[in-house]
This record gives sequence, structure tokens and C-alpha cells, in this order.
Amino acid sequence: EVQVVESGGGLVQPGGSLRLSCVASGFTFSSYWMSWVRQAPGKGLEWVANIKQDGNEIFYVDSVKGRFTISRDNTENSLYLQMNSLRAEDTAVYYCVRVGCSSGCYSDVWGQGTTVTVSS
Amino acid sequence: QSVLTQPPSVSAAPGQKVTISCSGSSSNIGKNYVCWYQQLPGTAPKLLIYENNKRPSGIHDRFSGSKSGTSATLGITGLQTGDEADYYCGSWDASLSAYFFGTGTKVTVL
Repeated sequence: EVQVVESGGGLVQPGGSLRLSCVASGFTFSSYWMSWVRQAPGKGLEWVANIKQDGNEIFYVDSVKGRFTISRDNTENSLYLQMNSLRAEDTAVYYCVRVGCSSGCYSDVWGQGTTVTVSS
Repeated sequence: QSVLTQPPSVSAAPGQKVTISCSGSSSNIGKNYVCWYQQLPGTAPKLLIYENNKRPSGIHDRFSGSKSGTSATLGITGLQTGDEADYYCGSWDASLSAYFFGTGTKVTVL
């Protein structure tokens, strides 16, 4: 079964750090772009970051640039999101997402999400 | 905030049709493919339409997508209570080098 499973969410104080992990199975992880997408409570979806198959091309939403780092380990079929200098507005469910590409690219496999709460 | 605009809500009776619009610009929808995602209450989003009008395996043909210029549309025919969900469009913005989801539309079956 093709799936991605996130972990690492929790409660953290403002200014703190957290590292999210995502383990992929059922597909060749190293062949896909991967993404993190988040959803604040009661709000819409917000794309956070993308990383290319070899990790050499990365994009971030402006609001996390300089604070978050996306990375991957293809030997471990794993995706990571290092989150530093966390703010209350980073509180959200964070989804690990596989990005499929043919003519265009699309988010075709989603995890169940891991919840990050930034609060004192 | 998103660069892709959707109506906050649409509704119709069972069996009827609804359409959801997604308005963008020349740097996103006008230049790149559009996807649509369905998020049922309390669940993760699911890919519904990709490359403007293609359905992944397992998605019913009651769901359709189209694109014209800088706008895209999702159509749902034969509306069912199980279609009650939030729907999001999505597209890459070449000028901003960022992916954007639409503002989201809640579909209600009356």
C-alpha cells in the first residue's frame, strides 16, 4: 500500500523548535518530489515547502523562509521538516505529501497529519 | 493569503449539479496546471482532479475539471450527501516560485 506517515508533532513554546518526520512506503521514495502542507485550525490548506528527488531543489512559502528547513533521506525513505523560531501562527496540522509529476505536478498521496501547537 | 480565489460556499439539492470556480492570474493558472482536492470532515485532503481535467484512478466521473485563461472550474454532478466537504483548487505560481491552494469552498447538500 502506498502511504506516508507523519510523526513528531506536539506542544512547543513560542520561539522553540520541533522536527517533523515522515516515513514513506509502498513506492520508490527517491523518484518523487515531496512536500509539507499545513492547515491551521478551522482554516484552509497552506503549502509550506517542496523538495526535489535528490534534495538539490527546494522551495518555501515566504512565511517560513529562514525558520523552517525541509530535508530528506532517500536511504531511509524519510522526509523531515525542521521548524525553528516557532510562532503561534505556525499552529496547524502538518501533512506530508507525495508529489506526482507527469505533464504537471500534483499532490497525490497525503498522510494523516501531525499536529503542532505553539503556545505558552 | 492565497492568490487563488474561490467562493466560500455552494449548495444544491441531492442529484443536482454544482460548480466551483477558482480565479487566479497569468502567473499561476494562466501558466500552469490546476488540481482540485476534496477534504471530507476530519480527514486529510484527497486529490480529485489533476492537470486541469484528469481524474486519478478511483475518482468517479461525476467530478470534472476545466480551465480557461486564468480561471478553473470544478463540476460535481449527481450531488450526494457524501460529497459534503471542503474543496480546494491548487496551482504553482511561476512568479512567486510557490504553490498555492485556493481559499476553499464548502459544498453543502440541501
